[in-house]
This record gives sequence, structure tokens and C-alpha cells, in this order.
Amino acid sequence: DAGVTQSPTHLIKTRGQQVTLRCSPKSGHDTVSWYQQALGQGPQFIFQYYEEEERQRGNFPDRFSGHQFPNYSSELNVNALLLGDSALYLCASSSGGRNEQFFGPGTRLTVL
Amino acid sequence: TQLLEQSPQFLSIQEGENLTVYCNSSSVFSSLQWYRQEPGEGPVLLVTVVTGGEVKKLKRLTFQFGDARKDSSLHITAAQPGDTGLYLCRGRGSTLGRLYFGRGTQLTVWP
Repeated sequence: DAGVTQSPTHLIKTRGQQVTLRCSPKSGHDTVSWYQQALGQGPQFIFQYYEEEERQRGNFPDRFSGHQFPNYSSELNVNALLLGDSALYLCASSSGGRNEQFFGPGTRLTVL
Repeated sequence: TQLLEQSPQFLSIQEGENLTVYCNSSSVFSSLQWYRQEPGEGPVLLVTVVTGGEVKKLKRLTFQFGDARKDSSLHITAAQPGDTGLYLCRGRGSTLGRLYFGRGTQLTVWP
């Protein structure tokens, strides 16, 4: 049983570009949450998707958007990249409203 | 400002030593979780505590939730190099149910 998978593992972009990160949830999970973890910081909640809709959102600008597909996989899109967007982006899946989330290994984004 | 303050930020000890790390807040949480994160990996859930004063043990790890549900501690007995990692606490706010991570304690255990 595969856990949460994310792609790509690493990505380098330049300022102003756009990026799309992908996440496949653990089998049987229907809820996907995205987090940004800057170096030396704890993960910061970006948003959560359930039934293909954004259910909750953290304190992130509109440049950060997402999507959930009918198979529960999800994408995180970031437009007009800034240097400060460099971070590890984590995806976590869960089942419905359960508290236990399983995290993927993350995508390391570097913005130059 | 950070809703959950973790201390110490860094901890470097020898194998066999005991240690305690802390997670403190001025806010009340309906539940609190501890995670361990290793390099190149996502956080892995260790425990969830929900009742004030609750103590949970996981082998050499002991977790305590404060009576007022504002703070928590993680005690490791006889630390081993395999315990090395970033220990994160995460609380669920009692008002809106939002989840907040602390910045973590980076633990290094030397053989």
C-alpha cells in the first residue's frame, strides 16, 4: 500500500515563474492538505481540499491555488514566484475529518 | 509570533542521555500531536493527546499534556542515534479547530 507520494522531489525556478506540484494521497484517503515548511521552521498550513473543493485556507496570498481531482489527487500551483517561496512543500492526506494525517516526503522548491 | 513555542530549538546529546523538549502556548488546545521529521521526509505522527494531564508512553518516549491543555512535553529516556530528527508539536485550537505547528526541536544524538 503506497503512502502519500509527491512529485517532483526537487524543483528550481526563477522569480516570476509559475510552478505546479503534485500529490497522490494514501489509499482510502479523500482529504488533502498542503503545507509550506521554510528552513528552520515548522510547516505552515496553506489549504485543504475535500470533495474537489477548498475547505479551509491558511494565511497565504491568492498566488497560491490548488485543485483536487475526482481520484482525490491534488495539485498546488504558485504564480509569480518570489525568493521567499523557496521551501519544502508538504502534502498530507487524511480520511474525512479525522485528525490523523499522513505526510508525503515533500517537494523542495528553490526560487533563484 | 508563533502560537506554539518549542524549546530548546536545538539539542545535541550523547547516546544514553535523557532529555525533555517542550511545547508551550498561551492558548488552549483541544488536542495536541507530536511528530518526528527526518531529513528528506515528511513528519511522522508519534502520538495524539486530548485530555488535560494525560500521559502517554511509546517505548522510551513519554508525552504529557498540561492540565490546562496549553502545553506539552516529550521526554526521551536513554536516547539513541535513531532518535535524531526534528520533533514538532501541533495543536488544534479549541475555538475554530485550526491546526498550528511549532517550529520544532532539532535533536541530534551522537553515538
